[in-house]
Amino acid sequence: GAGVSQSPSNKVTEKGKDVELRCDPISGHTALYWYRQSLGQGLEFLIYFQGNSAPDKSGLPSDRFSAERTGGSVSTLTIQRTQQEDSAVYLCASSFTSGGASKTQYFGPGTRLLVL
Amino acid sequence: GQQLNQSPQSMFIQEGEDVSMNCTSSSIFNTWLWYKQDPGEGPVLLIALYKAGELTSNGRLTAQFGITRKDSFLNISASIPSDVGIYFCAGQGRGTSYGKLTFGQGTILTVHP
Repeated sequence: GAGVSQSPSNKVTEKGKDVELRCDPISGHTALYWYRQSLGQGLEFLIYFQGNSAPDKSGLPSDRFSAERTGGSVSTLTIQRTQQEDSAVYLCASSFTSGGASKTQYFGPGTRLLVL
Repeated sequence: GQQLNQSPQSMFIQEGEDVSMNCTSSSIFNTWLWYKQDPGEGPVLLIALYKAGELTSNGRLTAQFGITRKDSFLNISASIPSDVGIYFCAGQGRGTSYGKLTFGQGTILTVHP
């Protein structure tokens, strides 16, 4: 497709379960970002991948959160032992590169996670 | 860490009125961006600013990158009902923070026909 896609669009899980969220970036984009948006709040940076470089994980809130990007394209964000405070919209974005004007990030529609 | 203060938090205006919102930061950014988010959607880029002092327009939208690199504003002229949504400013830094965006808290815009 033409834009960033994310799946699932909605996820309801029980406290303590693990969840995996998927992001398909725009074709040709080398940079990929994950953000979290809590209800009524702005976006909070989680992690970003740029090409083959080591990811910037500085925004991950705890070691229960991890992400990987296979083959420089699709990315999976994993939350282990989910807690109720993990409930939020998880947004993925991609950009052609992280430098210059082409670093503009384009966002997917997000995955709405609800932890009961 | 870096923080952006966006104001106002919400606005209720009549169709046809002009709107202004702004963001200030305690840190310098290399890039300022303005996004709009509709319910159930991800943010959509409206305007990107790459140079201090830059003034850029996109239709009825005008945004400026502050000279100090610590602030930006967005103006919407002659508002219409489809302008309704949440507007976010975002800054992109340099060095170890290069690449990731820091977002403001958002401005909720309501336009009455």
